[in-house]
Amino acid sequence: QSVLTQPPSASGTPGQRVTISCFGSSSNIGSNTVNWYQQLAGTAPKLLISRSNQRPSGVPDRFSGSKSGTSASLAISGLQSEDEAAYYCAVWDDSLNGWVFGGGTKLTVL
Amino acid sequence: QVQLVESGGGVVQPGRSLRLSCAASGFTFSSYGMDWVRQAPGKGLEWVAVISYDGNKKYYADSVKGRFTISRDNSKNTLYLQMNNLRAEDTAVYFCAKEAAPFFAPRLNWFDSWGQGTLVTVSS
Repeated sequence: QSVLTQPPSASGTPGQRVTISCFGSSSNIGSNTVNWYQQLAGTAPKLLISRSNQRPSGVPDRFSGSKSGTSASLAISGLQSEDEAAYYCAVWDDSLNGWVFGGGTKLTVL
Repeated sequence: QVQLVESGGGVVQPGRSLRLSCAASGFTFSSYGMDWVRQAPGKGLEWVAVISYDGNKKYYADSVKGRFTISRDNSKNTLYLQMNNLRAEDTAVYFCAKEAAPFFAPRLNWFDSWGQGTLVTVSS
């Protein structure tokens, strides 16, 4: 049972827009910035969004993040086959004094 | 460029110990907090432990508290994870990760680099 709640799966067709939600609480998302990681099959995670809505250099602008209250979301527009991966939200939890991850969302491009 | 290389994984019996290492290069190791994150087979990511840039602050996930110890040797640019009293549920790929902002500011930080991971299998 993860501290952050994500849907286990999401899907879309090429060119579509999909969003992945991440629900937390006042001690984590409500207080701190949210980060999103992409994990392609068999590889290490890679930073996708930092500080809730900042894209590192090299990440396409098709990816965007937002945060409101105790929830956050990742949006992927213009879906491409190479976006098929697992996506994780993560944030520091002030009560636990540690990082917490969402359970992950497996994105399938149909 | 930043490089993180984990080592020390393997097969170990329940109750035994193992020490993981993470060799860092391409950045000023002594200025950044470092973390261990694990992933059980077919499961999601689970944060394990963090250590501040100077080694003075350490925090652990409840699942490993009292059994695992995170440490670092800034003279060797190496991060460690001493794992004692291992259990079957500790079976996972263990990744080391570098925190992006220097010094220790986890609330506003993120992981900007990850190693490739090392597999630990706890089995009799």
